[in-house]
Amino acid sequence: DAGVTQSPTHLIKTRGQQVTLRCSPKSGHDTVSWYQQALGQGPQFIFQYYEEEERQRGNFPDRFSGHQFPNYSSELNVNALLLGDSALYLCASSLGRKDQPQHFGDGTRLSIL
Amino acid sequence: QKEVEQNSGPLSVPEGAIASLNCTYSDRGSQSFFWYRQYSGKSPELIMSIYSNGDKEDGRFTAQLNKASQYVSLLIRDSQPSDSATYLCAVGQGTGFQKLVFGTGTRLLVSP
Repeated sequence: DAGVTQSPTHLIKTRGQQVTLRCSPKSGHDTVSWYQQALGQGPQFIFQYYEEEERQRGNFPDRFSGHQFPNYSSELNVNALLLGDSALYLCASSLGRKDQPQHFGDGTRLSIL
Repeated sequence: QKEVEQNSGPLSVPEGAIASLNCTYSDRGSQSFFWYRQYSGKSPELIMSIYSNGDKEDGRFTAQLNKASQYVSLLIRDSQPSDSATYLCAVGQGTGFQKLVFGTGTRLLVSP
């Protein structure tokens, strides 16, 4: 039973570039959430997708956008990268029903030079 | 006031002791609560979920919830050096679909 998979594992970009991160949810899960975790902090909610629509959004600028595909996989796009975007980006999947636990992938570590 | 608060630690306990990790939250409407373990350089791993007041036990782990006091705790019995990690408290927020609001985590060190 495959868990949540994310790609790539690591990524190095320069300021102003754009990046796309990918996530495949755990088998049987239909909801994908994205989080940003800065060093020494807890994960911060970016947004959540269900049935290919953004259902909730955290306090992140419009430079952060996403998409969910019919097979429930998801992408996170970040435009005009800033140094402060350097972080571990985590994808979590769950069943769409309320209160279900979210399971995290291994994350993508993004470094901005 | 932060939405979810945890003592950053480190909390140091000897091997075999009980480790007690605490968390408070501000949103009285929250209904779901989770504990995640995160090893250095790794992603969070779900270890416990709790939804009702009282205790919930799973192996060496016991989660405790007191909604009136807005307090969640995690007890780890017979602590092992392999339990050394950061423990994240997460509170579910939202109606219909929930987002997780995390504390900053408590670092636990278990010495042999």
